[in-house]
Amino acid sequence: ETGVTQSPTHLIKTRGQQVTLRCSSQSGHNTVSWYQQALGQGPQFIFQYYREEENGRGNFPPRFSGLQFPNYSSELNVNALELDDSALYLCASSSRASRIHEQYFGPGTRLTVT
Amino acid sequence: GDSVTQMEGPVTLSEEAFLTINCTYTATGYPSLFWYVQYPGEGLQLLLKATKADDKGSNKGFEATYRKETTSFHLEKGSVQVSDSAVYFCAQGGSEKLVFGKGMKLTVNP
Repeated sequence: ETGVTQSPTHLIKTRGQQVTLRCSSQSGHNTVSWYQQALGQGPQFIFQYYREEENGRGNFPPRFSGLQFPNYSSELNVNALELDDSALYLCASSSRASRIHEQYFGPGTRLTVT
Repeated sequence: GDSVTQMEGPVTLSEEAFLTINCTYTATGYPSLFWYVQYPGEGLQLLLKATKADDKGSNKGFEATYRKETTSFHLEKGSVQVSDSAVYFCAQGGSEKLVFGKGMKLTVNP
């Protein structure tokens, strides 16, 4: 069974640029959620995708957007990067068929905005 | 709104010491409760879970009981090891999202 994978591992961008982060869900999972984890903080929910549509969103501006593909993989796009966007971005997959809806996390992408 | 409050630490213990990390939550419904662990430089790993009142989650010597009357899900381990050094997050959630506490960094010394 393949776990959740994310790419790239690290990324350095300049303020105002755009970035795309990628996530492959665990085998058998059809739902992908994205979280932002600032240094020393707990993860904050950005949004979730199910059946290629956004299915819930946290308190993040529209410049944070996403996609889910037919194979359940997903992308997180951030436009007009700000210094405060520097964080670890975590992708988590889960299955709607599961009663518990436990989420399994990837290793994350460390984004640094300078 | 939904929230999770947990001990933030950092905490340093000696090997074989007893560990308790307090966690309380506020929720409009009856969420599932989780403990996740994050080792240095890694993502989050699910440590244990509980889905309803009085359920006890357990894994790797860690335990936590879903207490609806006190809205708590405290994590305990009777004898910690050096390899337990990590950041521990309490979380609540349902089908849509997880709400996390701020995390507690644990260091266990030999």
